[in-house]
Amino acid sequence: TAGITQAPTSQILAAGRSMTLRCTQDMRHNAMYWYRQDLGLGLRLIHYSNTAGTTGKGEVPDGYSVSRANTDDFPLTLASAVPSQTSVYFCASSEGQGGDTQYFGPGTRLTVL
Amino acid sequence: GQNIDQPTEMTATEGAIVQINCTYQTSGFNGLFWYQQHAGEAPTFLSYNVLDGLEEKGRFSSFLSRSKGYSYLLLKELQMKDSASYLCAVRDSNYQLIWGAGTKLIIKP
Repeated sequence: TAGITQAPTSQILAAGRSMTLRCTQDMRHNAMYWYRQDLGLGLRLIHYSNTAGTTGKGEVPDGYSVSRANTDDFPLTLASAVPSQTSVYFCASSEGQGGDTQYFGPGTRLTVL
Repeated sequence: GQNIDQPTEMTATEGAIVQINCTYQTSGFNGLFWYQQHAGEAPTFLSYNVLDGLEEKGRFSSFLSRSKGYSYLLLKELQMKDSASYLCAVRDSNYQLIWGAGTKLIIKP
């Protein structure tokens, strides 16, 4: 079973360029989340979606946008990358909204130079 | 503000027992989660507590005291594969997860 997949696995990006991180789940979960994880800090929520067609801002949404056109996909876009967006990005999903047990994808390691 | 505190790093010996503590101050409380994260991998769910007391699941147990804003994860019969980071997360009044920075557990033979 695939669960949650993310692409790419890693990426080096020039500052000012745009990029979309892809996330797909096959568990028919309603809620999906994007986190960034930085050394010494806890996972920080960027954006979330409680159900297809809706999105919400998390703790650190600036510089990022998301869409949820269907249940399975939840892409994260960086419109104009900056070095402070260098991080490991995790996508997660849960059956219900509101902090049900979350299942994580393998992560994308992004370096912005 | 909201705050989750865990020790940064702990070391234990294979076969021993280790207790990882987590204290929290959040706007409301609707449950506490423990996740395990091996280096370079995704976090995976370990346990969930919403009521006071101990939840046991094999070699792992998790305890919660809501009045003290305190939880611990107890790992028994430690194995080398238990070397990982352990993340504490609290679901707040908005049903969002607030995450601690994690405790890196090093197991020595």
